[in-house]
Amino acid sequence: SQTIHQWPATLVQPVGSPLSLECTVEGTSNPNLYWYRQAAGRGLQLLFYSVGIGQISSEVPQNLSASRPQDRQFILSSKKLLLSDSGFYLCAWSVKGYEQYFGPGTRLTVT
Amino acid sequence: QQQVKQSPQSLIVQKGGIPIINCAYENTAFDYFPWYQQFPGKGPALLIAIRPDVSEKKEGRFTISFNKSAKQFSLHIMDSQPGDSATYFCAARKMDSSYKLIFGSGTRLLVRP
Repeated sequence: SQTIHQWPATLVQPVGSPLSLECTVEGTSNPNLYWYRQAAGRGLQLLFYSVGIGQISSEVPQNLSASRPQDRQFILSSKKLLLSDSGFYLCAWSVKGYEQYFGPGTRLTVT
Repeated sequence: QQQVKQSPQSLIVQKGGIPIINCAYENTAFDYFPWYQQFPGKGPALLIAIRPDVSEKKEGRFTISFNKSAKQFSLHIMDSQPGDSATYFCAARKMDSSYKLIFGSGTRLLVRP
């Protein structure tokens, strides 16, 4: 069966510090991968998606970037965090044309 | 236009009631309409989904009704329980290689005992 992992589960970082969030999927090959952000009590904002290794599409211009160095690994990064980067970051995957499944999320607080 | 409009924003029902959450879309290039359930601090979980060639789908106490001509779909929760208290998101999937989901803004449901 397929599983999706995200780490860390929670993170507190000062403004101006770098960020690296990791997402890995097990039990499937060549999935589509997605990064979302959810502000407190708000909806889901798609940040990036990837249809293959090294292929990244950005949905919202911002302080963040994404990379896909391996088939089942998706990384969200920032060089310098802003207060507005705080939120709940969710990774999701889908086999092309099928259902999309979310990971457990990373709670990021920028202080 | 790629939008999914969801209502109501919040909903309170008594145990056993039938909450109904509605969504409407504007782009006909969608081929799949899922609903997700999210508990606080957790990732959204796929609840039930429907394709536009079907008008209704039931899974346990959850039913999706789909009206293709009106571009609307809704979630009904039969015999609602306090454990159903969560935020519910509808979504529509684009018919391209991205398979992106366009999400509604969410409905916070509270089921009182």
